Amino acid sequence: QKEVEQNSGPLSVPEGAIASLNCTYSDRGSQSFFWYRQYSGKSPELIMSIYSNGDKEDGRFTAQLNKASQYVSLLIRDSQPSDSATYLCAAGRSGGYQKVTFGTGTKLQVIP
Amino acid sequence: NAGVTQTPKFQVLKTGQSMTLQCAQDMNHNSMYWYRQDPGMGLRLIYYSASEGTTDKGEVPNGYNVSRLNKREFSLRLESAAPSQTSVYFCASREQGEQPQHFGDGTRLSIL
Repeated sequence: QKEVEQNSGPLSVPEGAIASLNCTYSDRGSQSFFWYRQYSGKSPELIMSIYSNGDKEDGRFTAQLNKASQYVSLLIRDSQPSDSATYLCAAGRSGGYQKVTFGTGTKLQVIP
Repeated sequence: NAGVTQTPKFQVLKTGQSMTLQCAQDMNHNSMYWYRQDPGMGLRLIYYSASEGTTDKGEVPNGYNVSRLNKREFSLRLESAAPSQTSVYFCASREQGEQPQHFGDGTRLSIL
């Protein structure tokens, strides 16, 4: 079992719809969670960080964390064709143990 | 702003050759990471360094060695390259605690 699991997709949504991306993690010592967007041939870029249970909103993006269920999600409202990319979920530890582990990524396609 | 700089950007090696991938960051970050990315596999952690003077194995360390030369630099060495090491390699850094990682642009390595 991978430490961070994502559905590889592709997830196809029409322009203007809500895209919902999901992620589960197995390491209960994980304390920080990140969503990165990666365009083909490019490096990952940070979309959202979330550290405590609940929702965190930033513009069209909302990250949700449920530590009891070991579940992280990312909602993208009013999806645009430019949102078409692979979205990577990551879980990290802090303190003296700084390991950060990524899921395999979910490919999102926004259809105009 | 340079951020995380990786060299080289592209490299072709023959099986059995050795090579060192270089990574430097100018953000005074404590932790540094090496990942490889293969199609459908997401980002897999090779080695990481939580702080200067320490290194730890990640998910796929076999065939690689690392050196945390100083706080700025973290190199990845392939002693005897194999075709299975053909991949895109990303270096990342982050401040300790729960901060997100910053990524370099990647090194595209092909081993024939």
